Amino acid sequence: DSGVTQTPKHLITATGQRVTLRCSPRSGDLSVYWYQQSLDQGLQFLIQYYNGEERAKGNILERFSAQQFPDLHSELNLSSLELGDSALYFCASSVTGGAGTEAFFGQGTRLTVV
Amino acid sequence: GENVEQHPSTLSVQEGDSAVIKCTYSDSASNYFPWYKQELGKRPQLIIDIRSNVGEKKDQRIAVTLNKTAKHFSLHITETQPEDSAVYFCAASRSSNAGNMLTFGGGTRLMVKP
Repeated sequence: DSGVTQTPKHLITATGQRVTLRCSPRSGDLSVYWYQQSLDQGLQFLIQYYNGEERAKGNILERFSAQQFPDLHSELNLSSLELGDSALYFCASSVTGGAGTEAFFGQGTRLTVV
Repeated sequence: GENVEQHPSTLSVQEGDSAVIKCTYSDSASNYFPWYKQELGKRPQLIIDIRSNVGEKKDQRIAVTLNKTAKHFSLHITETQPEDSAVYFCAASRSSNAGNMLTFGGGTRLMVKP
């Protein structure tokens, strides 16, 4: 158990809908990352937050948004869902936000868009 | 941006043999190179990492080597066991105010035959 908690574990929803994925980082970790893992794209970095502020942005679609709250948990919002958004979404956390910091992954949320 | 290529995409070895996975990266400023192991349906787990000021690092049966000049790094697993079967991902990131964005390779599916 990495100490990073993601809910829900599985989510099935229809195209056009909106969902929210939740992540609680390890105790003491200030930085949260979101990654998307699909069969054809591998592990893709979406976005990073550090102590409530956006720190780095990857290939995150405009339909997707995220935030980190004062208690350091984070939510990833996916809207106007398309079939291609079906993937495993991982959250990771680290103590600091800088490179070279070990990132611990949660168990992921498997999103299926039908 | 950074681009990480990983080879081979699949690797089958006999139990007890060694396995080598290679990655190349494009951004010469990258200075942190972790390796993650992902079992089917589970989260990526850090197994070893190396920083650019070190050429080699070893932890029991696994070792990582880094050649900064050639911009490639490799994972070596000796005396492979069936439980080593998984997908292995290499990644790269660099120190910057932009945070800790890991760019992953495409993954290597390692199969260890008993």
